[in-house]
Amino acid sequence: AQTVTQSQPEMSVQEAETVTLSCTYDTSESNYYLFWYKQPPSRQMILVIRQEAYKQQNATENRFSVNFQKAAKSFSLKISDSQLGDTAMYFCAFMKPFNAGNNRKLIWGLGTSLAVNP
Amino acid sequence: AAGVIQSPRHLIKEKRETATLKCYPIPRHDTVYWYQQGPGQDPQFLISFYEKMQSDKGSIPDRFSAQQFSDYHSELNMSSLELGDSALYFCASSRQGFPDTQYFGPGTRLTVL
Repeated sequence: AQTVTQSQPEMSVQEAETVTLSCTYDTSESNYYLFWYKQPPSRQMILVIRQEAYKQQNATENRFSVNFQKAAKSFSLKISDSQLGDTAMYFCAFMKPFNAGNNRKLIWGLGTSLAVNP
Repeated sequence: AAGVIQSPRHLIKEKRETATLKCYPIPRHDTVYWYQQGPGQDPQFLISFYEKMQSDKGSIPDRFSAQQFSDYHSELNMSSLELGDSALYFCASSRQGFPDTQYFGPGTRLTVL
């Protein structure tokens, strides 16, 4: 069974600084997807970034980037130039690929609560 | 771009009552997922549908049932509501393989009194 671990329950960062959120996972699959979702106080679940395991290149979306280390089963999220609007709970999640058949639900970490301070 | 639509956004029910939550996926998405999230918790998978057939089942109580209709919208029916059912219920949709990412609706906040 797959598991996702986020070892930092809470983090804080000053506005305009850079912060890295950690995520490790365990799987026997060779191909899969990894995601970071953001849940602000409104509790909307917002996709931040997506990584396909077969791609060696780390995904980037504007100020958000990942450090994907497949052998180490590590998937960290870096937020550059932090903004007050980045304050949220961040969830790391794992999903099997389409050709894995059923059981393709997202497997979630427990989340990291990030506070961006002015 | 069109997003996942959920209705109602807020719902207040009494114990032992019935509730129906609706989800309208993004157009051309063929898969719908339902998740339940309690306060301070990660989402828990309930059930999913692919092309109107149930594709996976998680920790969904027997009091709950769900289906996906011909127009791909989905409904989660919850009967004999209990206080512990109070939670945020998310629907997510995806298109298998293209790009195979789950996009979430705004959620339905259910309060059982």
